[in-house]
Amino acid sequence: DAGVTQSPTHLIKTRGQQVTLRCSPKSGHDTVSWYQQALGQGPQFIFQYYEEEERQRGNFPDRFSGHQFPNYSSELNVNALLLGDSALYLCASSPTGTSGLMPDTQYFGPGTRLTVL
Amino acid sequence: GIQVEQSPPDLILQEGANSTLRCNFSDSVNNLQWFHQNPWGQLINLFYIPSGTKQNGRLSATTVATERYSLLYISSSQTTDSGVYFCAVERHDYKLSFGAGTTVTVRA
Repeated sequence: DAGVTQSPTHLIKTRGQQVTLRCSPKSGHDTVSWYQQALGQGPQFIFQYYEEEERQRGNFPDRFSGHQFPNYSSELNVNALLLGDSALYLCASSPTGTSGLMPDTQYFGPGTRLTVL
Repeated sequence: GIQVEQSPPDLILQEGANSTLRCNFSDSVNNLQWFHQNPWGQLINLFYIPSGTKQNGRLSATTVATERYSLLYISSSQTTDSGVYFCAVERHDYKLSFGAGTTVTVRA
């Protein structure tokens, strides 16, 4: 049973560029959340997708956008990159309560380390 | 938003020692999870424990929801236990709020 997968593992971009990060959820999970983790800090919630809609968002600017596909995989897009966007981007998946699996429990992927120069 | 405080910020242990990590949170929650982040950044689920007590091998956790705290116990620590331990909570709004973490170093 594959866990949460993310691609790419590392990425280097320059200021002003745009980036797309990808996430495939754990089997049986239909909800995907994205988090940003700066060096030495805990992860910060960006947004969550369920049924292809953004259903909750954290305190991040509109430069951060996302998408969820019918197969539950998800993308995180960041436009007009800033130096401060350099971080580890984590994707987490969770099941809904109707699946018989424990709801709310979030499982994390290995992350994409983004460096903005 | 909900505040999550973890203590101590850093912990240095000799192999074989026991330790307790604490997580305080500022409001009632429906979800509390403990994670271990390895040196490569992977967050590994340890416990889903919004209330009660659970054990998994040398690790155990207790959450007292009415008093808004959770404890993670590590017994007979090993060098592989080194890393950062995070507590994260959710308050019926789908967002996990993380503490700043406890960095554990286990020396051989």
